[in-house]
Amino acid sequence: KAGVTQTPRYLIKTRGQQVTLSCSPISGHRSVSWYQQTPGQGLQFLFEYFSETQRNKGNFPGRFSGRQFSNSRSEMNVSTLELGDSALYLCASSLLASGYSYEQYFGPGTRLTVT
Amino acid sequence: AQSVAQPEDQVNVAEGNPLTVKCTYSVSGNPYLFWYVQYPNRGLQFLLKYITGDNLVKGSYGFEAEFNKSQTSFHLKKPSALVSDSALYFCAVRRDNDMRFGAGTRLTVKP
Repeated sequence: KAGVTQTPRYLIKTRGQQVTLSCSPISGHRSVSWYQQTPGQGLQFLFEYFSETQRNKGNFPGRFSGRQFSNSRSEMNVSTLELGDSALYLCASSLLASGYSYEQYFGPGTRLTVT
Repeated sequence: AQSVAQPEDQVNVAEGNPLTVKCTYSVSGNPYLFWYVQYPNRGLQFLLKYITGDNLVKGSYGFEAEFNKSQTSFHLKKPSALVSDSALYFCAVRRDNDMRFGAGTRLTVKP
C-alpha cells in the first residue's frame, strides 16, 4: 500500500500570499488530520476531517482552512501568509471506525517558508 | 483539557545500554496513548499504542512502553539501544476527538 503523500514537498512564498497544500491518505483511510510543526511550538493540531466533514479544529486563526473531498484527499489553505507561518506541515491519515484507537500514518510533510 | 508532557528535551545513552524516554499525561477517563518517532526530514512513524489490557505494550524496532495508570505515565523503553535509534520521539494522547502531542524528546545513542 502506498503511504500518505503530500504535495508539494517544499514551498517558498512571500508575506500576504496564500498557499494550498495537498494530502492523499492511505487507500481506505477516511480520516485526515493536519499538523503544524515548528522548533518553538512543537507539533500543533490544525484540524481533522472525516467523510468530508471537519470533526475537530485546533487553536489557529481563520486564515487556516481545509477541506476533504469524496475520495478522502484533503487540502489545507493558508491565506494572507505571515512570517510565523513558516513551518513543516504534516498530514496524517487513519482508519476511523467506532472509536479513536487507530494510529495515524504521517506523510513526509510540506516545508513552507514565508519570506 | 488534556495534556501530555515529555519532561526531557534530550536523552543520551550509549549503544547497547537500555533506554527510557518519559511521558506523562493528564486526561479524564481512559485515553489512548501512542508513541511516534521522527527521523530527520521525515514525517512521524508510528511505534506503538496502548488501548486497553496488558500494561506492557510491544511495538516496532524492539521498543516497548509501560502504561502506569496510577502515575499517569507511558514511558518508552528499549533493552539495548542502537545508534540508528537516534531520532526525535513524540508521545501522544487521544481522548475522543482531541489528539495531543508532547513536545518531543531527542534521543542520541552514542557508539
